[in-house]
Amino acid sequence: QKEVEQNSGPLSVPEGAIASLNCTYSDRGSQSFFWYRQYSGKSPELIMFIYSNGDKEDGRFTAQLNKASQYVSLLIRDSQPSDSATYLCAAERSNDYKLSFGAGTTVTVRA
Amino acid sequence: GAGVSQSPSNKVTEKGKDVELRCDPISGHTALYWYRQSLGQGLEFLIYFQGNSAPDKSGLPSDRFSAERTGGSVSTLTIQRTQQEDSAVYLCASSLAVAGGSYTDTQYFGPGTRLTVL
Repeated sequence: QKEVEQNSGPLSVPEGAIASLNCTYSDRGSQSFFWYRQYSGKSPELIMFIYSNGDKEDGRFTAQLNKASQYVSLLIRDSQPSDSATYLCAAERSNDYKLSFGAGTTVTVRA
Repeated sequence: GAGVSQSPSNKVTEKGKDVELRCDPISGHTALYWYRQSLGQGLEFLIYFQGNSAPDKSGLPSDRFSAERTGGSVSTLTIQRTQQEDSAVYLCASSLAVAGGSYTDTQYFGPGTRLTVL
């Protein structure tokens, strides 16, 4: 079992819709969780992180964390064509800062 | 300020040759990480430095891979006797890695080095 699992997609949504991305993790010692966006041929760029149960909002992005269910999600509201990318979920352990990445979910926003 | 830089951006080499990949982290970042990303795959952890020491080398695929960091700054990833399966994008990231408290350490990535082994 991989430490971090994501639906590979592709996830296709119309412009203006909500894109919902899911991620599960196996290591209960994981403390913080990160969402990175990676455009084709580019390096990952941080969207946001979350470490407390509940929701965290940043602009059109909302991260949700449920430690009991070992589940993290990312919602993209009012999706734009520029949001088309691969979204990587990562889990970090507090003792060594090592990140375990999921394989990524590819999102395509249709204009 | 300047982000993480990596060089070269692209490297094409012949099977059996040695290659060196360089990473220059964000100034003041004590932690440095190397990852590998094969086509269409997620990020594979290779090695992590805290200062000049490498507490975790568990991700290095074989003894052909080695890395060092000097002066708590620049790091070099060396691949000896390259094989075609080494072809990938090699990404470097750095972070502040402040210990303790509720601080959430965040890794920032460089642009990567695309390695092609013919």
